Amino acid sequence: GQSLEQPSEVTAVEGAIVQINCTYQTSGFYGLSWYQQHDGGAPTFLSYNALDGLEETGRFSSFLSRSDSYGYLLLQELQMKDSASYFCAVRDRQVTTDSWGKFQFGAGTQVVVTP
Amino acid sequence: DTGVSQNPRHKITKRGQNVTFRCDPISEHNRLYWYRQTLGQGPEFLTYFQNEAQLEKSRLLSDRFSAERPKGSFSTLEIQRTEQGDSAMYLCASSLGALGEQFFGPGTRLTVL
Repeated sequence: GQSLEQPSEVTAVEGAIVQINCTYQTSGFYGLSWYQQHDGGAPTFLSYNALDGLEETGRFSSFLSRSDSYGYLLLQELQMKDSASYFCAVRDRQVTTDSWGKFQFGAGTQVVVTP
Repeated sequence: DTGVSQNPRHKITKRGQNVTFRCDPISEHNRLYWYRQTLGQGPEFLTYFQNEAQLEKSRLLSDRFSAERPKGSFSTLEIQRTEQGDSAMYLCASSLGALGEQFFGPGTRLTVL
């Protein structure tokens, strides 16, 4: 089976740095994605790591360690608009095609940014 | 607007009725995913297609749920004999093959009375 764990809530002030950790268990692994979702909105894609290491996109960075089954999303220079839920999602292996499979999402981390 | 559309945006139905939702993905995307999301939870995988082939369906999904993607374009998700526990946001997403980015539609909010 699969399982993902991420903290339920993180609170930080504007301008701070926040790290959201995600640990996962899966029978086949192809990559780890991160999504942002504002209240009432749909999830929007932030990043995808298929290989170990750090990927940087503006103020957001994502890291993956496949040997540790662990990744994190780093939010820098926090802004009020970053208040949202953040989800990690593991991509598994599709058995019949032996190729990229479905995504399983974590329960999400609510990030609250205060002035 | 991601380019993925879903209809209807809201659906209120009585318990026991059948409902059908539609998703129109980004035209060149070969993969289409259906998820269900309840308050405070992440999107829960339901099923996905590569072109017109349904590659996987959640084992947690009852037989009341069925999805199709004729001709590999739009998709429909049908729920038969709805139950109050089916009340949720139903999200559709599309992607292009190996890429890890999914584009989500705005969702269909289902309320079962």
